[in-house]
Amino acid sequence: DGGITQSPKYLFRKEGQNVTLSCEQNLNHDAMYWYRQDPGQGLRLIYYSQIVNDFQKGDIAEGYSVSREKKESFPLTVTSAQKNPTAFYLCASSGSGRPEADTQYFGPGTRLTVL
Amino acid sequence: GQQLNQSPQSMFIQEGEDVSMNCTSSSIFNTWLWYKQDPGEGPVLLIALYKAGELTSNGRLTAQFGITRKDSFLNISASIPSDVGIYFCAGARSGYALNFGKGTSLLVTP
Repeated sequence: DGGITQSPKYLFRKEGQNVTLSCEQNLNHDAMYWYRQDPGQGLRLIYYSQIVNDFQKGDIAEGYSVSREKKESFPLTVTSAQKNPTAFYLCASSGSGRPEADTQYFGPGTRLTVL
Repeated sequence: GQQLNQSPQSMFIQEGEDVSMNCTSSSIFNTWLWYKQDPGEGPVLLIALYKAGELTSNGRLTAQFGITRKDSFLNISASIPSDVGIYFCAGARSGYALNFGKGTSLLVTP
């Protein structure tokens, strides 16, 4: 089955620890994205990558880091510098070619709770 | 990114009723997307619109890309209990990240 997987579904960490969220896709999509979702708010873009070995900051990149060493993988690290890390994190990807490149498909999400 | 104006914020309807929600923006978009999100899950793409004026259906769902390219609406006909969830609109300009609405929460009573 083609799709986007995120693991784990639930993650608990102590304050001050870095944590890495996994995102893998087998859709052969070029672009991948990370969003954060808080209750009552829409999705906010953290980082995105349009091609391997390249990524750009989104609207709320502070306290986060990413890497894009492989086309199918885009892990997100939530660092101890992120002041309010507890949230629902969503990974998405989109293909190439217009107009479909603007159409993003989402993974199931990871709920991170920092204690 | 710019946040889109999505309304209504929530709807509470009876099974069988039709539903309409819309999204507006001060910017022009090339693509309008509608997603549904169930609690604790990722958004699922319902309909993608790529041309101004385009009207597209997916089962009981119909969405339109506004002529001005600054708005879109989603209609759900004959609602059923499994339509419950949060519906998000998103607009895209080529080469830029998506802009999202805050969502419309839909509750359907049997």
